[in-house]
Amino acid sequence: KAGVTQTPRYLIKTRGQQVTLSCSPISGHRSVSWYQQTPGQGLQFLFEYFSETQRNKGNFPGRFSGRQFSNSRSEMNVSTLELGDSALYLCASSSSGTGGETQYFGPGTRLLVL
Amino acid sequence: GQQVMQIPQYQHVQEGEDFTTYCNSSTTLSNIQWYKQRPGGHPVFLIQLVKSGEVKKQKRLTFQFGEAKKNSSLHITATQTTDVGTYFCAGHGYGQNFVFGPGTRLSVLP
Repeated sequence: KAGVTQTPRYLIKTRGQQVTLSCSPISGHRSVSWYQQTPGQGLQFLFEYFSETQRNKGNFPGRFSGRQFSNSRSEMNVSTLELGDSALYLCASSSSGTGGETQYFGPGTRLLVL
Repeated sequence: GQQVMQIPQYQHVQEGEDFTTYCNSSTTLSNIQWYKQRPGGHPVFLIQLVKSGEVKKQKRLTFQFGEAKKNSSLHITATQTTDVGTYFCAGHGYGQNFVFGPGTRLSVLP
């Protein structure tokens, strides 16, 4: 099976702009979670989608949003970018996202906000 | 909310030495997972522990889950340069999401 793919891999934006990141899960996986990874804060959970519905949400401001499509592909959007949003954004897919299943991570999108 | 801590934050060892990282949760966990992230890479699943007191081995890696299901450890015997990376534990609380620890960054000097 193909792994989790994320696009784009690298992105440079300026403050105030918005950005959309895409994640394609492993075929058959219906749960997609998004994480923000920074050197200072480690891996922070953003949100999880299952069957096109946001099932769980972390402690991030409303500027961070996401959605999931019927084919389980997911997008996350960050509006009004701030310098502190510079990070590696990882998505992870799992079969159903319940019971502590293994999460398979994509390569990530590295976002730099100038 | 649930918090997961890991110690040490960094560890430098000589190749051939042993290495241990410890993971502690503020709440009882239903299970715990361990991931490894190589420099420039993404986290890769290593193992999941579910039962109290569980011990699992993968070649030179030994994973333990505490009796109270609030702590875990990863021990690497005779480290090799291929072991370099950051090791994360991820605790899954009952009815909660996974919470990742901050990770332990391992450097192995040849």
